Amino acid sequence: SAVISQKPSRDICQRGTSLTIQCQVDSQVTMMFWYRQQPGQSLTLIATANQGSEATYESGFVIDKFPISRPNLTFSTLTVSNMSPEDSSIYLCSVSFSGGLEQFFGPGTRLTVL
Amino acid sequence: QKEVEQDPGPLSVPEGAIVSLNCTYSNSAFQYFMWYRQYSRKGPELLMYTYSSGNKEDGRFTAQVDKSSKYISLFIRDSQPSDSATYLCAMTGAGSYQLTFGKGTKLSVIP
Repeated sequence: SAVISQKPSRDICQRGTSLTIQCQVDSQVTMMFWYRQQPGQSLTLIATANQGSEATYESGFVIDKFPISRPNLTFSTLTVSNMSPEDSSIYLCSVSFSGGLEQFFGPGTRLTVL
Repeated sequence: QKEVEQDPGPLSVPEGAIVSLNCTYSNSAFQYFMWYRQYSRKGPELLMYTYSSGNKEDGRFTAQVDKSSKYISLFIRDSQPSDSATYLCAMTGAGSYQLTFGKGTKLSVIP
């Protein structure tokens, strides 16, 4: 397993602004992922953060809205851009050492957009 | 039809009871099946994963997969108040990292 931290743990933001969420792991990992967990909904994969290249986005998610960086094997950021109340959610990063099968999650960032 | 169906509960049981949590799925390509536990205001924690059909036991927890029925279960024996959490099933196909999650079942174990 791994120790995963996320910053901030929570935030309240105004409509139209952007927030960058950080994910830090205590060891090098093969893969890093970003998920969204909306109330009453399934955990949904936003994108896979690729080290040194552009992230791979799932259907329904685009780079302009959710830019992602992964400068090294232990750190990634997700930005939620031009926020609206519909972006209010918990955002989680996860990591895998084994190609994605066993994924370990961070504590999440609880975002409220007013 | 959603790919993974999971009864959201809530499910409330007395301490010491046997708990049965279930998911059904529609995608026959799924081969790996996981159960995550998520405490309030925490990230999901991987409990167990199984490959294809069969049972897997880990302490008080038993995971069952019936691929012919597209049905998976998690049994918790001698349930404890500390088991109170939301339980998420997840699954994926061979060679894939894209996990498909159920919505989660909220479990409360009453002392």
